[in-house]
Amino acid sequence: KQEVTQIPAALSVPEGENLVLNCSFTDSAIYNLQWFRQDPGKGLTSLLLIQSSQREQTSGRLNASLDKSSGRSTLYIAASQPGDSATYLCAGVSGGSNYKLTFGKGTLLTVNP
Amino acid sequence: EAQVTQNPRYLITVTGKKLTVTCSQNMNHEYMSWYRQDPGLGLRQIYYSMNVEVTDKGDVPEGYKVSRKEKRNFPLILESPSPNQTSLYFCASRVGLSEQFFGPGTRLTVL
Repeated sequence: KQEVTQIPAALSVPEGENLVLNCSFTDSAIYNLQWFRQDPGKGLTSLLLIQSSQREQTSGRLNASLDKSSGRSTLYIAASQPGDSATYLCAGVSGGSNYKLTFGKGTLLTVNP
Repeated sequence: EAQVTQNPRYLITVTGKKLTVTCSQNMNHEYMSWYRQDPGLGLRQIYYSMNVEVTDKGDVPEGYKVSRKEKRNFPLILESPSPNQTSLYFCASRVGLSEQFFGPGTRLTVL
């Protein structure tokens, strides 16, 4: 059974700082890993999807990496801004009968002006 | 615009009164699923559907029903809601093992 863990649960940084959010998963037979952003009480916005055959994906100031052998993914945010404040969730799709997306509990990021 | 829609967005109801939350996607996705999100527990899958007329239980299916009569629609049915079903509900869809898209969420309160 796939388990996804995100550390830290909360992170506060000053504006302009580069930061890394961590995600670990227990089942290395992962098909893909997706990073989401969630604003308070709102829906999930997909940020990046990394397929198992890929090592990283980039979109603007965001870069996500995937290391299946170590069971880890990281989301790098460059030059953070107050508008980046949100909860960031990682989720992976594993095999089995379901191919469901298993979520971590998220990292609450606060970027202070 | 490619999207997943849910209705209603907010619902307050009473114990035992049957309700349906609708979900529709316009991307011709085969795979659809429902999640609930609770503080401290994160997002948990309730039911999923691999295609029309193919549905199965997720991790927390008790108290819920679903149907998939058309590819675009995947309603979530609570036959007799209870207070422990108060939660934020999300519908999602994808094709194959591609990016999963989520609806805007339905905040349900059962009194």
